[in-house]
This record gives sequence, structure tokens and C-alpha cells, in this order.
Amino acid sequence: SQQGEEDPQALSIQEGENATMNCSYKTSINNLQWYRQNSGRGLVHLILIRSNEREKHSGRLRVTLDTSKKSSSLLITASRAADTASYFCAIGSGTYKYIFGTGTRLKVLA
Amino acid sequence: EAGVAQSPRYKIIEKRQSVAFWCNPISGHATLYWYQQILGQGPKLLIQFQNNGVVDDSQLPKDRFSAERLKGVDSTLKIQPAKLEDSAVYLCASSSLADTQYFGPGTRLTVL
Repeated sequence: SQQGEEDPQALSIQEGENATMNCSYKTSINNLQWYRQNSGRGLVHLILIRSNEREKHSGRLRVTLDTSKKSSSLLITASRAADTASYFCAIGSGTYKYIFGTGTRLKVLA
Repeated sequence: EAGVAQSPRYKIIEKRQSVAFWCNPISGHATLYWYQQILGQGPKLLIQFQNNGVVDDSQLPKDRFSAERLKGVDSTLKIQPAKLEDSAVYLCASSSLADTQYFGPGTRLTVL
């Protein structure tokens, strides 16, 4: 299985701090995506990084990919209470097939 | 642009009953996915369609689950008969060739 394993499972920080979560996988990938899920709702796409890319930015989000270590990290800078959610990595391989990780539950305290 | 639509949003049934979920993807999206998300876990892929053909259904419990995508647009997922362990949120997603998946709000199923 190429399921992504994320750590930490849960993270609690103060508003304004940075949050970092990691995703590790086992085999080669085409790309890796990060999603956010607010409680009781569907998943929202945050960012996609391809296997030949090392870093991507989108607003306060920064994603890195290290294919030699088979890992990716998501950094949220200057966190806000509205960032409270679960964050999932999705490992992309084959024909648009994705396997989701176990998720990191982020809580940002105001 | 309209998002992925799913219905119903909530469903409560007794075990051994049957249930069906409906998904309408974003217009023009060739790929459609059904995921099962158990509380506290990540989404698990049940079935993936490319147009109206099945690409991957390796994790679909075929003795009780079935899915179809008529005319390569809408899709239905059916469970018959339901078991207690089927209680979960069922998510539908669609994508074009750009890889990004767009998710619907999900259907929360409770099996009593």
C-alpha cells in the first residue's frame, strides 16, 4: 500500500504560530496533494506538488517534497483560528489514482 | 462553476436494509471517485470511473456495494444489505486531467 502516514496525528498551537505537518510514503509517486477538511464537511484542495518539484507556495502555505526520503511537509505560516481543521496528504500514482493519509488534526487557539 | 453535488446529506438505516447515494460531478470532469471515510480516518477509495468505465474498484466490497456511472456523468453508489461497519461518510469527487480532485459535501450514513 502507498498510504501516506502523517505526523503528528494532532497538533495544537497558538494563533500566529507556524504549523508543520509531515507525510511519508513508501513507493514512487507522480504527485502529492494536500487537502483540508473542516469538521463535518468535504475536503478542500490546497496544493499539488509534482514529483519533479521540490517546493511550492500558495499564500500562507508552503509545501516541500523530498522524493529521496519519500516525504512531504506542509507549513502553514501565521496560523489563524480558521485554520483549525484536519489536513490530509494524498499520494498520486497510476491513472489519477490517489491514496489518502491518516491525517493531522490541527487546532489553532485564539 | 457549480461544485460536486451529493444527496442525501444524511441517512439513517437499519442493518440489512439497502441505501443509495447520488453524485453529480462538475461538468466536463471525466474522472469520478467514491470514497468511504470512517470517523477519525482518511478517505478510502472505493471506486474510480473514467467516463463511464471502471478504472479501479479493488477496494469495493462487491458482495454488498455496487456503483454505476450512466452516460459518464452522474453516479450512484448502492449498499445492499448494509452492515453496522458501513457507518461512515461517503464522499464523491471529480477531476479533469489536471489531477486536482474536487469533493462534494459527502453523505453521512448511520447504520443502526
